[in-house]
Amino acid sequence: SQTIHQWPATLVQPVGSPLSLECTVEGTSNPNLYWYRQAAGRGLQLLFYSVGIGQISSEVPQNLSASRPQDRQFILSSKKLLLSDSGFYLCAWKEQGNQPQHFGDGTRLSIL
Amino acid sequence: GNSVTQMEGPVTLSEEAFLTINCTYTATGYPSLFWYVQYPGEGLQLLLKATKADDKGSNKGFEATYRKETTSFHLEKGSVQVSDSAVYFCALRGIQGAQKLVFGQGTRLTINP
Repeated sequence: SQTIHQWPATLVQPVGSPLSLECTVEGTSNPNLYWYRQAAGRGLQLLFYSVGIGQISSEVPQNLSASRPQDRQFILSSKKLLLSDSGFYLCAWKEQGNQPQHFGDGTRLSIL
Repeated sequence: GNSVTQMEGPVTLSEEAFLTINCTYTATGYPSLFWYVQYPGEGLQLLLKATKADDKGSNKGFEATYRKETTSFHLEKGSVQVSDSAVYFCALRGIQGAQKLVFGQGTRLTINP
């Protein structure tokens, strides 16, 4: 069966530090991959999505970037974190075709 | 563009009460519709889905019917339990591109014993 792993589960970082969040999917190939951010008490905002290795689409201009170095690996990065980057970051995957998205357990990022 | 509007929360009910969380959408064509649930401190779990008009999605006692004429996908449960306390998100997926999900703002549900 397919599984999705996100890490770390929680992260506390100072303003101006770099960031790397990782997401991997097992049990499938060529999935669509997604990064969302959920600010406190609010809905989900799509940040990036990828339909294949090296293919990244950005939904909103921001301080973050994403990369997909392998088929089932999706990385969210920043060179210098801002206070406004705090939030709950969720990775999701879906198979090609008319299939639902499945979410990881999320990473709670706090910027001090 | 596509959008989803959910009933504003928070919603507080007593155990065994009837639940309705309203969801309406705006979209071109025939999107797929979903309800996701987020328990405290966790990611989102797919609760149910419907992919065409008049489809009824159901799971764990929850139901939602895809109503094209009213562009709605309201979530219902006949008798809620304390364990149903969570945040519920309505979402739609368009018919083009990478099939991105558009979420409503979420409705926080608290069930008191």
